[in-house]
Amino acid sequence: KNQVEQSPQSLIILEGKNCTLQCNYTVSPFSNLRWYKQDTGRGPVSLTIMTFSENTKSNGRYTATLDADTKQSSLHITASQLSDSASYICVVSELTNAGKSTFGDGTTLTVKP
Amino acid sequence: EAGVVQSPRYKIIEKKQPVAFWCNPISGHNTLYWYRQNLGQGPELLIRYENEEAVDDSQLPKDRFSAERLKGVDSTLKIQPAELGDSAVYLCASSLGLAASTDTQYFGPGTRLTVL
Repeated sequence: KNQVEQSPQSLIILEGKNCTLQCNYTVSPFSNLRWYKQDTGRGPVSLTIMTFSENTKSNGRYTATLDADTKQSSLHITASQLSDSASYICVVSELTNAGKSTFGDGTTLTVKP
Repeated sequence: EAGVVQSPRYKIIEKKQPVAFWCNPISGHNTLYWYRQNLGQGPELLIRYENEEAVDDSQLPKDRFSAERLKGVDSTLKIQPAELGDSAVYLCASSLGLAASTDTQYFGPGTRLTVL
């Protein structure tokens, strides 16, 4: 069964600090991996997408990495801001099966002043 | 451009009552998804439409859930009768539908359902 595991489940950091969120997956065959940001009471919003041949992708202060060999990804947030407080969800899509996506349960990040 | 619109935003009902959620996708998006998201978990796909055809409804509890997408635009998700375990956020998403595996899904704000 395809799975996406995220860690930690929750994280509290001080404003201005950096942090790294982890995502491990077993989805196969692999097509792409996305990181979404979900603010409280809102739907998820796509931050980055990486295919098999990409090992890093940046979006402002967000940098995602992908190691397709070990089936691991990370999302690094630099110089955190209060507005970064949200849930970050890792989503992995299959190459076949009409691109079916498997969602992780997310990491809840709280940035404190 | 307007994003994915969902209504209502909140709904509180008693168990065994029916409930319906409405979704208007982004204009021009052929693919529409309904997800259920429980607290502290990621979204779970209920049904995916390509235009008006339901192409993946394997996770839809068909004994009480139904969905339709008439004319391939708006969609309605219905639960009848609702159970306590149906309390969750119901998310609608849409995508262009050009290439399924790399299509970016755009999510609506969701409908938070509470079943008492």
